[in-house]
Amino acid sequence: DAMVIQNPRYQVTQFGKPVTLSCSQTLNHNVMYWYQQKSSQAPKLLFHYYDKDFNNEADTPDNFQSRRPNTSFCFLDIRSPGLGDAAMYLCATRGGLPMDEQFFGPGTRLTVL
Amino acid sequence: AQSVAQPEDQVNVAEGNPLTVKCTYSVSGNPYLFWYVQYPNRGLQFLLKYITGDNLVKGSYGFEAEFNKSQTSFHLKKPSALVSDSALYFCAVREASSGNTPLVFGKGTRLSVIA
Repeated sequence: DAMVIQNPRYQVTQFGKPVTLSCSQTLNHNVMYWYQQKSSQAPKLLFHYYDKDFNNEADTPDNFQSRRPNTSFCFLDIRSPGLGDAAMYLCATRGGLPMDEQFFGPGTRLTVL
Repeated sequence: AQSVAQPEDQVNVAEGNPLTVKCTYSVSGNPYLFWYVQYPNRGLQFLLKYITGDNLVKGSYGFEAEFNKSQTSFHLKKPSALVSDSALYFCAVREASSGNTPLVFGKGTRLSVIA
């Protein structure tokens, strides 16, 4: 089945230790998103790619970076995680039309010790 | 600017009763409207969307939503609630003419269905 895959599902890191979260998709969608979601809140958009065009939300901290080496893969790098970065990180994809819905991965829950 | 309001943080309903989760939106032009459901420790799952045409949209798991342009609303409904419907529900909007701007999500409504 076509899907959005996130690895790992659970990630534990130490304060200040860089961490990378990965997302892959078999949908061949040209739009990919990274969201941060804290407890029972709405997902907060961090970045999105339209093909290779990178769009950074104005309030995304510099501590967060992203890479999209090809259509299928997208990575979220947190350079120096703080306690406040503990959250669920959601990857989503979408086809190229405005009316297309977004497909979400299962998320990676990040714990910062 | 686009925005979505979900006025209720929590909705409680007895199993077998009808349920409604409210959503209102604000866009300059015509909206594309979406409902998503989130179960604990999972990603968001698409339920249904309104693009154009019939104001009553039917989606997954027996859910439906009614688009009301005059009230700028897109309430989610189900005729008979199940305990398994208990989850977090998000409404989202994108203005049809906005190209590929990201969805704007509401803050979510937690639905509890009591047996």
